[in-house]
Amino acid sequence: GENVEQHPSTLSVQEGDSAVIKCTYSDSASNYFPWYKQELGKGPQLIIDIRSNVGEKKDQRIAVTLNKTAKHFSLHITETQPEDSAVYFCAASGSEKLVFGKGTKLTVNP
Amino acid sequence: NAGVTQTPKFQVLKTGQSMTLQCAQDMNHEYMSWYRQDPGMGLRLIHYSVGAGITDQGEVPNGYNVSRSTTEDFPLRLLSAAPSQTSVYFCASSNRDDTDTQYFGPGTRLTVL
Repeated sequence: GENVEQHPSTLSVQEGDSAVIKCTYSDSASNYFPWYKQELGKGPQLIIDIRSNVGEKKDQRIAVTLNKTAKHFSLHITETQPEDSAVYFCAASGSEKLVFGKGTKLTVNP
Repeated sequence: NAGVTQTPKFQVLKTGQSMTLQCAQDMNHEYMSWYRQDPGMGLRLIHYSVGAGITDQGEVPNGYNVSRSTTEDFPLRLLSAAPSQTSVYFCASSNRDDTDTQYFGPGTRLTVL
């Protein structure tokens, strides 16, 4: 089955800096790669996703890149703000089931 | 739309007790699933359903039962709670036309003593 590895597990940046979180997956049949943001005490919320026919997708300060050959994808957050502090999860899906990475706790220091 | 709702928010059980975690969605989504979240483990799929009357096992199904009698509701039953089931449980739903995009509920924090 699919296996998703996510790095780093924790990330601390200064406000205004960029943050990058990386994930690798094992199943070459996976074709959907979402990123979720989870704030304390809440459920995960989809922030951006990418499908295998696209190499990059951007939405304001966040972007996701996908390298299908290397089987890895990354989340990029630019101009970080304190409200970006949360746990971020990547996931991969090929057949109705999402497999999640273990999460990255991002702290943005004012 | 209330989206995906879960009750209760918090629950404490003793080993061996049974209980049902409730999940409901008002988006007419066919696909619903249950995950558990443990520290350092991410979210792991327990059971899922692709429509009323249809359920299937996920990655960690042991100790849990589900049923799907209506499109709106997808309860998760713990028949005999064990300390290993202490976790935060999330229900999620998605549309048949876009099963990938899952919408999560706020979660139930369960402690088994």
